[in-house]
Amino acid sequence: GIQVEQSPPDLILQEGANSTLRCNFSDSVNNLQWFHQNPWGQLINLFYIPSGTKQNGRLSATTVATERYSLLYISSSQTTDSGVYFCAVESLTGANNLFFGTGTRLTVIP
Amino acid sequence: DAGVIQSPRHEVTEMGQEVTLRCKPISGHNSLFWYRQTMMRGLELLIYFNNNVPIDDSGMPEDRFSAKMPNASFSTLKIQPSEPRDSAVYFCASSLISDRGFYEQYFGPGTRLTVT
Repeated sequence: GIQVEQSPPDLILQEGANSTLRCNFSDSVNNLQWFHQNPWGQLINLFYIPSGTKQNGRLSATTVATERYSLLYISSSQTTDSGVYFCAVESLTGANNLFFGTGTRLTVIP
Repeated sequence: DAGVIQSPRHEVTEMGQEVTLRCKPISGHNSLFWYRQTMMRGLELLIYFNNNVPIDDSGMPEDRFSAKMPNASFSTLKIQPSEPRDSAVYFCASSLISDRGFYEQYFGPGTRLTVT
């Protein structure tokens, strides 16, 4: 199946700092989603973004499908942003399901 | 909308027992997915249904696992007999499929299964 790599694997930020999380994928995609898994284990939808740029409050995301990567920007981080951020993709040519990256674990300290 | 509903939220059972996990997808969605999350393997797809029909079950670990979707609003994932290595969080997700692929998938809260 399609390979999904996320970087960095771990990130520690001071509250108020900005960060960029990256997702690289090995094949053309139909669907790309960013999720936040909070400390209680819930998977929260952040963005559905197979291409282009979207913004939602302090978060924004950009996917450059032709270059096979996506970026998630977190500005003015808060302690509630802590958790694991997953990128997941549906391959254009493969099976119709989401393949998840291994995630970026973000810890925001006060 | 109530979102994807899963039950139970936690399940502790002894090795050899049967375990049944339940899922109610978002109303109007025509596709349903079962995922498993472990520390070793991360999030992986077990099986997915489109219009209540199983489409891809290649992720089901072995014959001890089975899944059904008797109607558009209910699905079960059964493990019989359960083993300690089945301990994981099991997520159900639902989506709407078009002829170009799936739209956004929405996940339930998960069922944390512990097999002793």
